[in-house]
Amino acid sequence: DGGITQSPKYLFRKEGQNVTLSCEQNLNHDAMYWYRQDPGQGLRLIYYSQIVNDFQKGDIAEGYSVSREKKESFPLTVTSAQKNPTAFYLCASSYGTGFSYEQYFGPGTRLTVT
Amino acid sequence: AQSVAQPEDQVNVAEGNPLTVKCTYSVSGNPYLFWYVQYPNRGLQFLLKYITGDNLVKGSYGFEAEFNKSQTSFHLKKPSALVSDSALYFCAVRGNYGGSQGNLIFGKGTKLSVKP
Repeated sequence: DGGITQSPKYLFRKEGQNVTLSCEQNLNHDAMYWYRQDPGQGLRLIYYSQIVNDFQKGDIAEGYSVSREKKESFPLTVTSAQKNPTAFYLCASSYGTGFSYEQYFGPGTRLTVT
Repeated sequence: AQSVAQPEDQVNVAEGNPLTVKCTYSVSGNPYLFWYVQYPNRGLQFLLKYITGDNLVKGSYGFEAEFNKSQTSFHLKKPSALVSDSALYFCAVRGNYGGSQGNLIFGKGTKLSVKP
């Protein structure tokens, strides 16, 4: 899982509550990403950031928000507007956004909303 | 459309036998292809990538992948499977136009099961 940490590993919330997932990297990578993983659906991109104070929506951004105030940190907030928030969330980073750069992933946070 | 297909949900192999996990892609222009492995309740680990050059790419843990442009495939292979190779494998392609430009597009994953 390299130099990317995600906390907590497991998170439980009641429906209607916002929750923030932490992602920190010490790889000095410029780009950071958030993915959602559901069984049998692969990974889907929620948000990504190429540089501090800038981020773009991915394929499934509705109901999520992010911030990128520091190079090392890219927290994800799952809001009450997300209709089906229970999933495994993965944070990743890469040296840049050039086509040849691979992404490195954190260990993930499993969010359960009841 | 830009996409990746992993046609097998699960591959079963006996330990010591060769293994192949299949991947086909659809993208315009030159493809940038990646393989990742995921162990249960863990993040993804990078295995290897094809950017340009030799069609046979060697990666971590004895894995290799063969790029075939005419068949738009990038199959993952290993000459001799280990029980510890049992995991979920993802193929990905870098999108190169539109909203997906620069982002990884993942297949749905193939579960590899290696039996002793």
